[in-house]
Amino acid sequence: GAVVSQHPSRVICKSGTSVKIECRSLDFQATTMFWYRQFPKQSLMLMATSNEGSKATYEQGVEKDKFLINHASLTLSTLTVTSAHPEDSSFYICSASRDKANYGYTFGSGTRLTVV
Amino acid sequence: ILNVEQSPQSLHVQEGDSTNFTCSFPSSNFYALHWYRWETAKSPEALFVMTLNGDEKKKGRISATLNTKEGYSYLYIKGSQPEDSATYLCAPFRINKLIFGTGTLLAVQP
Repeated sequence: GAVVSQHPSRVICKSGTSVKIECRSLDFQATTMFWYRQFPKQSLMLMATSNEGSKATYEQGVEKDKFLINHASLTLSTLTVTSAHPEDSSFYICSASRDKANYGYTFGSGTRLTVV
Repeated sequence: ILNVEQSPQSLHVQEGDSTNFTCSFPSSNFYALHWYRWETAKSPEALFVMTLNGDEKKKGRISATLNTKEGYSYLYIKGSQPEDSATYLCAPFRINKLIFGTGTLLAVQP
């Protein structure tokens, strides 16, 4: 089946530094990947849609200069949290689809970011 | 903002019990509804993609129904097992993206 690998699974960083999260589709090509964020006791909220070879589309209220998304190949998308602050501490997870109409989306395992 | 509600928020059942939970969503402009199972420390796993009113899908002991006219879907688990313990998420698909509910956390006691 389709597999999406996400790294790191957990990261602690100092306030003001940047953190990069990677998502790779291992056995299929993903022209589109999605990045979500989940705060405690809340639902997965879409942050942005990452398109291979073009600019990402950000959801309302998500700062594109703070959350940099790069989708340089059909199998890799990265999310960089720049100048991280404690309020950016959250769970970040990506997804992609090989055949969403029939099989839905394949998710990575998520990244727990803690900014201290 | 699309309002997706799932109930109950959490559920504790005994092994062997059958259970069901609900996903409610706006019925207008319906395109598709996804169900996912999310076990702790794992990735969400797609269970069903449902598109037609009256759809009923089954995967082993898990089944789901869909009513697009009134905007709800039920997920049923027959004879719950401890390995069914997970958060079950529903997500209507709108304008090329999934809108997730907060999920139902199911705990099955052996």
